[in-house]
Amino acid sequence: AQSVTQLGSHVSVSEGALVLLRCNYSSSVPPYLFWYVQYPNQGLQLLLKYTTGATLVKGINGFEAEFKKSETSFHLTKPSAHMSDAAEYFCALGEYGNKLVFGAGTILRVKS
Amino acid sequence: GAVVSQHPSRVICKSGTSVKIECRSLDFQATTMFWYRQFPKQSLMLMATSNEGSKATYEQGVEKDKFLINHASLTLSTLTVTSAHPEDSSFYICSASAGTKNGYTFGSGTRLTVV
Repeated sequence: AQSVTQLGSHVSVSEGALVLLRCNYSSSVPPYLFWYVQYPNQGLQLLLKYTTGATLVKGINGFEAEFKKSETSFHLTKPSAHMSDAAEYFCALGEYGNKLVFGAGTILRVKS
Repeated sequence: GAVVSQHPSRVICKSGTSVKIECRSLDFQATTMFWYRQFPKQSLMLMATSNEGSKATYEQGVEKDKFLINHASLTLSTLTVTSAHPEDSSFYICSASAGTKNGYTFGSGTRLTVV
């Protein structure tokens, strides 16, 4: 069965510091992987996605993620955190049948 | 980019009444729409998947007679919570897709409170 594991339900960084949110997946077929951000009482906004091709994917707001098949990982990074990055982040795996499998989410806190 | 409009954003209703939530893809045709429920501080729980013109496929444990889904066109899906009870209070989010590789676009969510 396909699954997504996000390590760390809460991550706290200082403003200007590196952001690293971890995501590991399990899939028996080549995966489609996504990162979404959710602000309170709002829907999800796509940050970036990996389907095929280049394994380093650049997204919006300075985020990027690298697909590493050997490590079954798709970690999300941003070189310098901004206060506006404080939100909840979800890693998701595109499943056969057109569904998305979500990780449990990671709440990012940015300290001034 | 792809936009999905979800209405209403917030609704309060009395127990026993029904509430309809609309989800529209504004600038693309969604072959599939999804309805999720999100409890506080939790991830999204898929309730059902709907394809235009066919019956929705419900996830295990989701009552299809309580959560009625209609996908009348490639741009509109509705979720009706029938005979709502306080335990149905939650955040409901829709998502539309034109295929997995193309990605999924989410609505802004509906906060339902049943009193």
